[in-house]
This record gives sequence, structure tokens and C-alpha cells, in this order.
Amino acid sequence: DSGVTQTPKHLITATGQRVTLRCSPRSGDLSVYWYQQSLDQGLQFLIQYYNGEERAKGNILERFSAQQFPDLHSELNLSSLELGDSALYFCASNGGTPYNEQFFGPGTRLTVL
Amino acid sequence: DQQVKQNSPSLSVQEGRISILNCDYTNSMFDYFLWYKKYPAEGPTFLISISSIKDKNEDGRFTVFLNKSAKHLSLHIVPSQPGDSAVYFCAASSLSTGANNLFFGTGTRLTVIP
Repeated sequence: DSGVTQTPKHLITATGQRVTLRCSPRSGDLSVYWYQQSLDQGLQFLIQYYNGEERAKGNILERFSAQQFPDLHSELNLSSLELGDSALYFCASNGGTPYNEQFFGPGTRLTVL
Repeated sequence: DQQVKQNSPSLSVQEGRISILNCDYTNSMFDYFLWYKKYPAEGPTFLISISSIKDKNEDGRFTVFLNKSAKHLSLHIVPSQPGDSAVYFCAASSLSTGANNLFFGTGTRLTVIP
């Protein structure tokens, strides 16, 4: 158990809908990262938050947004969903300093029908 | 553009033998490299890392080798055990630029045959 929790575990929705994925980092970790893993692909970095502020952005679509709250949990919002958004979404956390490995949650599997 | 590549989607090894997983990268700014192991229905689990100032890092049965001139790293597992069967991801970051985000390869599925 990495100490990172993600809810829900599975999510099935329809095209055009909006969903929110939730992540609670390890106790004490200030950084939260979101990654997307599509079928047979590696994990693609979406966005990083550090202590409530956006720190880095990857290939995140404009339809996607995230935030980190004062209690350090983070939410990833996906809107106007398309079939191609079906993927595993992972959250990871660390202390935010270099050389700290990232600890991953179990992921949320999103299926868009 | 895939900056981290794992060209072998799968690898099968007999129990007790050495497993060698390979990874290539294209971005010369990468200076920190990690290997993660992933079981089904779980998130990736950190295994071992190496900084670009080193060419080898060892942790028990796991050793990572880095060849900067070839932009290549490998993970050696000796001896391989059935419990090592999982998908292994290579990842890289560019800490010198202040970025902590990881770039992942597509993974290699290791099967250790008892």
C-alpha cells in the first residue's frame, strides 16, 4: 500500500459527460501528479500541483482541469468526454523535492461509452 | 513523441536466471531515471533509481545500469523469482530543469517461469 488513495476505482459514463476523479496523497506529501495510461501505452504526465499551486503541465487537454485543495487532496475534472478519454488515470505524490520517487495510487479506470 | 522507449513488450525467463530489461531515451536533458513495477489492478510501485552522475546502482537482487553516451539503461534482476512477474516501466525526469514529472516507457511484461 503506497498510502495514496484514489476514488472511484471504476467509472463508466457517456460521451459528452463530465466526471471528477479524486486523489488523497500520502501523509505529508505536498506534490500531487496526475498521469493518464491509455491502452498499451506508457503513463503520460498530465499535471502537477505543489502545495495548492500548479507546478507543471504536460499534455493535458483543455477539457481537463485539476486543483489541489488546502488539505492537499486533488481532483481531476474531465469534461465533454470522448471515447478516446477512456483510460486509467493515476495519481502520484511525493515530498516535492528532487530525487524523491513518486508514490502511485491504484488508479481510476474510466470507460466512456 | 515517445522520449522513453522500451522496445521489448514482453520477456520470459526461467526462475533463478537473470532478467535483463532495457530502456532507451532520446532527451539528453534527462538526469534521473527510475524503474517501476506494476501488477494488474495496482498502481506502479517504485523499484530502483539512478542519477546521471552514476553508471550503476544496486539494491539487493536489482541493479540498474546507465550508459549516458548510448542513452540507454537496463535493469538486471538476479536471480529472477516467480513473484517478479509483472510489467516493468522505465521512467526519466529532468531534475536540472526543475521539473519533477516523469516520462514513462510503454512497459515490458516480465514472466518468470517456475
